[in-house]
Amino acid sequence: NAGVTQTPKFQVLKTGQSMTLQCAQDMNHNSMYWYRQDPGMGLRLIYYSASEGTTDKGEVPNGYNVSRLNKREFSLRLESAAPSQTSVYFCASSVGHHTDTQYFGPGTRLTVL
Amino acid sequence: SQQGEEDPQALSIQEGENATMNCSYKTSINNLQWYRQNSGRGLVHLILIRSNEREKHSGRLRVTLDTSKKSSSLLITASRAADTASYFCATALFTGNQFYFGTGTSLTVIP
Repeated sequence: NAGVTQTPKFQVLKTGQSMTLQCAQDMNHNSMYWYRQDPGMGLRLIYYSASEGTTDKGEVPNGYNVSRLNKREFSLRLESAAPSQTSVYFCASSVGHHTDTQYFGPGTRLTVL
Repeated sequence: SQQGEEDPQALSIQEGENATMNCSYKTSINNLQWYRQNSGRGLVHLILIRSNEREKHSGRLRVTLDTSKKSSSLLITASRAADTASYFCATALFTGNQFYFGTGTSLTVIP
């Protein structure tokens, strides 16, 4: 039981490049989330998926797109990376509603030059 | 705007001492949760307290919630070096599917 896994662990991009961050969970959770964490700040919600087939914007969605591929997988795409998107990205999942305990992946450290 | 803010931003104590950190929030909540993050790692859930609860315990952790003051505190008793980490409060609102994290308290426990 791996919990929540994320790939890659580290990534360096040039401004304007695109990439997809992958997230998978094996806990049969319905809800999944993408957060970014910047120095001196807490986590901020980018997008979430309350159930398979649905996605909604969080606090900071601009510059990102998501896909809930199936119940297990939730990907985050940067279409045209900008230096302001340099951050650590965390994926999380919960059994159901956002009020439930969330389980986090190890994070992806992204640098945009 | 950010829902939760922790105080202090940083705390350094000797092993065996108690550590107390506080969280304030702005609007009514469904529940409040505390998470721990070790350096370079993901967050780990510690404890959840619902809006109709006032106090909750889990091992060496004690959490209180005062909804009238919109604040919560996390007490770690008899701290250990392994407790060194950042601690975040997170608030779940009743509506909007939003979950807000505070800025965190960095705790250092000196052996």
